Amino acid sequence: ETGVTQTPRHLVMGMTNKKSLKCEQHLGHNAMYWYKQSAKKPLELMFVYSLEERVENNSVPSRFSPECPNSSHLFLHLHTLQPEDSALYLCASSQGSAGAKDTQYFGPGTRLTVL
Amino acid sequence: QKEVEQDPGPLSVPEGAIVSLNCTYSNSAFQYFMWYRQYSRKGPELLMYTYSSGNKEDGRFTAQVDKSSKYISLFIRDSQPSDSATYLCAMKRNAGNMLTFGGGTRLMVKP
Repeated sequence: ETGVTQTPRHLVMGMTNKKSLKCEQHLGHNAMYWYKQSAKKPLELMFVYSLEERVENNSVPSRFSPECPNSSHLFLHLHTLQPEDSALYLCASSQGSAGAKDTQYFGPGTRLTVL
Repeated sequence: QKEVEQDPGPLSVPEGAIVSLNCTYSNSAFQYFMWYRQYSRKGPELLMYTYSSGNKEDGRFTAQVDKSSKYISLFIRDSQPSDSATYLCAMKRNAGNMLTFGGGTRLMVKP
């Protein structure tokens, strides 16, 4: 596997379900990100883990819970979601360096549908 | 007002045309500007990266930044059907790794 991989690629869940999205990066990076991409809206940064420190967008509901056990793996735990949470969830990684040119590389995304 | 504005399109052009894609932004703190290309059912991939004002060329692609007008552009010369995708502009402040994205412009290049 190369680059950034995400599983599953598609997920359909009910509002009472609990599920998790998984991301793995094979680039030796130190920072990982979760983004939400909804139709006709800009990519929205949800969470950042950089050198094991977590930064979050305060507008993200608590029904989304990230976990970063090490620098190569990132999870997004989902529970009691709403239909408006249906979107493409993208994972990205970067070197996480303090320098300005810290390029983010994206995975293919998980298409989530909440019924 | 959104921090970064981008016309959603779709923009339809014939093969071989010159394409101009644009973003405007409101925050003068942005210093680094990027263009990502996103094919259907794929994640975004970085196309161009520029710092401050000026032009940067890479093959058929030219990125232009005008900080005085808070306006950035991506030009595609000799456009190909394989260029059909959604193009996202992104930008960030001097430090940190928080990117702010535009909503994306969908481009269709017809053979």
